Amino acid sequence: EPEVTQTPSHQVTQMGQEVILRCVPISNHLYFYWYRQILGQKVEFLVSFYNNEISEKSEIFDDQFSVERPDGSNFTLKIRSTKLEDSAMYFCASNEGGFGEKLFFGSGTQLSVL
Amino acid sequence: GEDVEQSLFLSVREGDSSVINCTYTDSSSTYLYWYKQEPGAGLQLLTYIFSNMDMKQDQRLTVLLNKKDKHLSLRIADTQTGDSAIYFCAESMGISSGSARQLTFGSGTQLTVLP
Repeated sequence: EPEVTQTPSHQVTQMGQEVILRCVPISNHLYFYWYRQILGQKVEFLVSFYNNEISEKSEIFDDQFSVERPDGSNFTLKIRSTKLEDSAMYFCASNEGGFGEKLFFGSGTQLSVL
Repeated sequence: GEDVEQSLFLSVREGDSSVINCTYTDSSSTYLYWYKQEPGAGLQLLTYIFSNMDMKQDQRLTVLLNKKDKHLSLRIADTQTGDSAIYFCAESMGISSGSARQLTFGSGTQLTVLP
């Protein structure tokens, strides 16, 4: 079965550094997402992306964050000047669009900011 | 805002049925989902139900939706040790911006299956 893949599975960075989290959504999907889960908290929506632009974003997704689809397969989340509170599991997801009710998630990238 | 609540823990004996409950607040929810997360793994879509349905069955899984009470449940028949995981309930709000699926998740229920 097709799946959403994320790399790396773990990322450790120093506070203030920039990180890029990478995702390869399912190939025929049109909508892409980033969610995050801080340890012990709920999974939270960050941003949705369609047709090469952000379609929705939460209040968490401030100017520190950006997303990009640099080519036909990758979808990236960039976090500029990371903060300690950015430490979390970041999940990428995708769905077909239209009546694409099935939202598929990747295995996540555990980001640790030291 | 939207909120989804679940009990945190559930323990059952192998072979028994498990029932995981969830309540939500957004009456405009269109789809409701159950995801499974095993240790170190991502969120695996188990099943989902459209808000105009009352029940959906998929092999050992039965989803019941009481829209009036905004209550969703997941029943796992003949629970096995491999079913031990965290189960997340999530709702998708009314469609906005086309078909973007912004999900609101519950805290997850840790299901422990005892031999």
